[in-house]
Amino acid sequence: DAMVIQNPRYQVTQFGKPVTLSCSQTLNHNVMYWYQQKSSQAPKLLFHYYDKDFNNEADTPDNFQSRRPNTSFCFLDIRSPGLGDAAMYLCATSRDFIGTSGRVNTGELFFGEGSRLTVL
Amino acid sequence: DAKTTQPTSMDCAEGRAANLPCNHSTISGNEYVYWYRQIHSQGPQYIIHGLKNNETNEMASLIITEDRKSSTLILPHATLRDTAVYYCIVLAGGYQKVTFGTGTKLQVIP
Repeated sequence: DAMVIQNPRYQVTQFGKPVTLSCSQTLNHNVMYWYQQKSSQAPKLLFHYYDKDFNNEADTPDNFQSRRPNTSFCFLDIRSPGLGDAAMYLCATSRDFIGTSGRVNTGELFFGEGSRLTVL
Repeated sequence: DAKTTQPTSMDCAEGRAANLPCNHSTISGNEYVYWYRQIHSQGPQYIIHGLKNNETNEMASLIITEDRKSSTLILPHATLRDTAVYYCIVLAGGYQKVTFGTGTKLQVIP
């Protein structure tokens, strides 16, 4: 059974028309990530949530926003998609636990199948 | 986080062992070595990780050199379904974000 579900799998939008991609998880993981992956490139981290705390990467454009209304759901909003935003968008989750020296993240990410965005 | 260096691409004959190297010469004592792979048009998949001891699971084996400056991921009997990009990542033991390098594109040949 899928544990990280992304919708839609394929999204076509017009230049400048806002898009929202969704991610849901059944793992009850407290950390959720959004990655952007362009053709033949490695996934690039856009931002992540550690519980409710939002962590933006320094080079993530303002055009990209995210919401996490609860543990299970996370959304990626692209306010005004440009041609350069066409990519696969990957959602991932991970969990942490309390170790002897504080919080520890397992480093094991669970990815969804991705949402492929086409911008016309 | 320590940086990693991997070959851009490798070929392996089906049924043979695939040995994927990774250099992480600046790794520090509390950093783990993680391996992920990404099959075409799918999200990355966790394979295995280790600190200093060799590790094995149902997918692969991880061999870490004694000085921890390099490691090798071993797929003992490569199949066509193992064709993918393999990422070696070094992560500290505490909380951190996961970033991917360029990885090794493994092509398993019939």
